[in-house]
Amino acid sequence: AQSVTQPDIHITVSEGASLELRCNYSYGATPYLFWYVQSPGQGLQLLLKYFSGDTLVQGIKGFEAEFKRSQSSFNLRKPSVHWSDAAEYFCAVGARNNDMRFGAGTRLTVKP
Amino acid sequence: GAVVSQHPSWVICKSGTSVKIECRSLDFQATTMFWYRQFPKQSLMLMATSNEGSKATYEQGVEKDKFLINHASLTLSTLTVTSAHPEDSSFYICSARKTGPNTEAFFGQGTRLTVV
Repeated sequence: AQSVTQPDIHITVSEGASLELRCNYSYGATPYLFWYVQSPGQGLQLLLKYFSGDTLVQGIKGFEAEFKRSQSSFNLRKPSVHWSDAAEYFCAVGARNNDMRFGAGTRLTVKP
Repeated sequence: GAVVSQHPSWVICKSGTSVKIECRSLDFQATTMFWYRQFPKQSLMLMATSNEGSKATYEQGVEKDKFLINHASLTLSTLTVTSAHPEDSSFYICSARKTGPNTEAFFGQGTRLTVV
């Protein structure tokens, strides 16, 4: 069965600094990988996804993620964080037409 | 993009009553919809997978008689919390996946249920 680990529960970065959120997955075949962002009391917004092809994926709001099969990782990055990026971030893995499994989430705090 | 609408956004009900939450895919057909539950400051936990025209598949530990799921059409799935209790208070989120390969799930905005 698929599973996702987000090692960092909470990360604090200064505005303008770079960001990397870690995600490791466990899945028997080539996974579908996703990053979502959730603001308090809101639903989930898709930042980016990986299905196949280029392992460096560009998403919305300046985010990118790199799929590394050898490390079973799909880390999310942003070169310069904005205060509006403060939110909860979830990594998810899913199989084709099946449900998705979510990581525990990483809460991002942005210092002025 | 694809839009999934969840209604209501929030609801308060008395213990012992039932509450129905709707999940609609507005501009696409979804043969499969998923229901998640999220406790404060925690991740989303899959409750059940809802397939149009058939019975839902529940995750281990989820009471199917308490959380009734109906997927009567390709654009609508409902979750009914029966005989609600305060411990059922939570944030419930649905998602719908387009039919076909290489599709991601689109999420509703969630429903905050408070049982008093």
